[in-house]
Amino acid sequence: AQSVAQPEDQVNVAEGNPLTVKCTYSVSGNPYLFWYVQYPNRGLQFLLKYITGDNLVKGSYGFEAEFNKSQTSFHLKKPSALVSDSALYFCAVRDWPGGQNFVFGPGTRLSVLP
Amino acid sequence: NAGVTQTPKFRILKIGQSMTLQCTQDMNHNYMYWYRQDPGMGLKLIYYSVGAGITDKGEVPNGYNVSRSTTEDFPLRLELAAPSQTSVYFCASRGGGTTNTEAFFGQGTRLTVV
Repeated sequence: AQSVAQPEDQVNVAEGNPLTVKCTYSVSGNPYLFWYVQYPNRGLQFLLKYITGDNLVKGSYGFEAEFNKSQTSFHLKKPSALVSDSALYFCAVRDWPGGQNFVFGPGTRLSVLP
Repeated sequence: NAGVTQTPKFRILKIGQSMTLQCTQDMNHNYMYWYRQDPGMGLKLIYYSVGAGITDKGEVPNGYNVSRSTTEDFPLRLELAAPSQTSVYFCASRGGGTTNTEAFFGQGTRLTVV
């Protein structure tokens, strides 16, 4: 069975500082890993994904994430946070091969303080 | 590109009423999903489809039904609405293969059952 944990309900960071939003996962096969962002009253927007290859993946709006197989983690990072990054962030996993569906974590609310 | 379109955006139902949430996508995606989002709970999969004519239950299917008569459309039917179905509903789609791996989401339908 697949599962995703996001251990922090809320992350607060000052504008200009680096940010990290944590994600750990469990799958029976190989993981496809994803990060999504949700702004108020909006749908989820895709940020980045890890499928295979380089463990450091870069995505939209300056975000990146590092896949760590031994720690089963896929933490989202950004070198310098913006106030406009404040939103709800979801980590998701899909098992490969054969996994049809995505399993989402509970979400982490990021607040970037000016 | 319209992407994934959901209607309506908001709806208030009385207990025992029925309704259909509409979802259509214009990306020729085979896979389509219905999720519900409850505060602090992430997204829970209701039903999914791997192609026209094929649907299957997700994690929380009770009280819902779906159909997939075309590639584009994946309506979600609520029969005998209950207060527990008050939630935000998201439709999503994705392509197949090893490149079209991420899901694209609609803007959501906020449903209140009173």
